[in-house]
Amino acid sequence: DTAVSQTPKYLVTQMGNDKSIKCEQNLGHDTMYWYKQDSKKFLKIMFSYNNKELIINETVPNRFSPKSPDKAHLNLHINSLELGDSAVYFCASSQPGQGYYGYTFGSGTRLTVV
Amino acid sequence: AQKITQTQPGMFVQEKEAVTLDCTYDTSDPSYGLFWYKQPSSGEMIFLIYQGSYDQQNATEGRYSLNFQKARKSANLVISASQLGDSAMYFCATLKTSYDKVIFGPGTSLSVIP
Repeated sequence: DTAVSQTPKYLVTQMGNDKSIKCEQNLGHDTMYWYKQDSKKFLKIMFSYNNKELIINETVPNRFSPKSPDKAHLNLHINSLELGDSAVYFCASSQPGQGYYGYTFGSGTRLTVV
Repeated sequence: AQKITQTQPGMFVQEKEAVTLDCTYDTSDPSYGLFWYKQPSSGEMIFLIYQGSYDQQNATEGRYSLNFQKARKSANLVISASQLGDSAMYFCATLKTSYDKVIFGPGTSLSVIP
């Protein structure tokens, strides 16, 4: 069973389109995140939700909107896609109190904007 | 603000030899955690090892050990008996425990030579 699953794994789309990436975790964790890895492999947090409540909202264009229908799901919707949005997006989840907070990453979604 | 420095953008090691990947961090938080993740060419983020700032002993996980020197703010990863499958990007990261936020370093690319 995949602990943190993201769909789709690959996404190729044209500039100006709107797209969504879905994330689900079956670990029972309270907190979920979105990270972005750019072309230089640099990873940076974008958002985090704790039990459906937005906790962290880094400096991200408001074209990016996370949505958490329940604590097991955190989706990322991107409006008016731009070339610079091309990156790998990782979903993650964690649970304070576990040894390493149980921090677990999904396998990533490679977004290519053409 | 927290910051992670990895001064080795690329490293080479002979198969079966040990290798140390450097990591220094800067934080004013009294409580924090330190991670190492491996990212092979397939792209997934693989958890390797975790050290809590109050842990008395250095963390070890199989061939991985974390050389934690709190006063020097360093958390180097030691991989013993390198294998060809260890060739990957390695990321040091710090967990800001009050917010569950992970800050990643820029990564070190490790190549294991047969």
